Amino acid sequence: DIQMTQSPSSLSASVGDRVTITCQASQDINNYLNWYQQKPGNAPKLLIYDASNLETGVPSRFSGSGSGTDFTFTISSLQPEDVATYYCRQYESLPYTFGQGTKLEIK
Amino acid sequence: EVQLLESGGGLVQPGGSLRLSCAASGFAFSSHAMSWVRQAPGKGLEWVSSISINGGSAYYADSVKGRFTTSRDNTKNTLFLQMNSLRTDDTAVYYCANLAYCGGDCQFWGPGTLVTVSS
Repeated sequence: DIQMTQSPSSLSASVGDRVTITCQASQDINNYLNWYQQKPGNAPKLLIYDASNLETGVPSRFSGSGSGTDFTFTISSLQPEDVATYYCRQYESLPYTFGQGTKLEIK
Repeated sequence: EVQLLESGGGLVQPGGSLRLSCAASGFAFSSHAMSWVRQAPGKGLEWVSSISINGGSAYYADSVKGRFTTSRDNTKNTLFLQMNSLRTDDTAVYYCANLAYCGGDCQFWGPGTLVTVSS
């Protein structure tokens, strides 16, 4: 099974800050990586597919990068509505595996 | 409008059974492999099971293998999860989604249904 190691587990930042979350796969996942945003009581919302492609309608302050085993999710200028928990997920092979999640709060 | 809607959750005693359904509309359900993902209270996301487009192959997390069975009815655009021998650690919100690679703007999730296993 492919293990996904996501960090940090929690993060507090100020409005306007640049925020970065990382996800490391235990083996090459050929960029088959999603990033999700989940707010309490809601299903996960897909933000990024194939490591760096933005879903339609997702604000451009969100971005993804990386390849092979190391990936980064960035919010260029944090907004109050970005408070949520963020997850990465690999879909290179079953079992699909998620990172542990990063809980993002406003300082 | 694309919609996935889970149903069938509820309170069940340990050792009991439940059958979840996921009704799909607004997209080509029969052209997508489908999956179940769960989230225990206050915890992260855990993949549970996936089923192939024609239902001929199903895959399970070790934590549910031998107890859960995933099936689908493409004539009714519905996905099922039969859960037997339920344990307290199966308590979670269960989501259906199409998680296999499909490019952009083609991954959909339901709102989830809560399963509580408790005596």
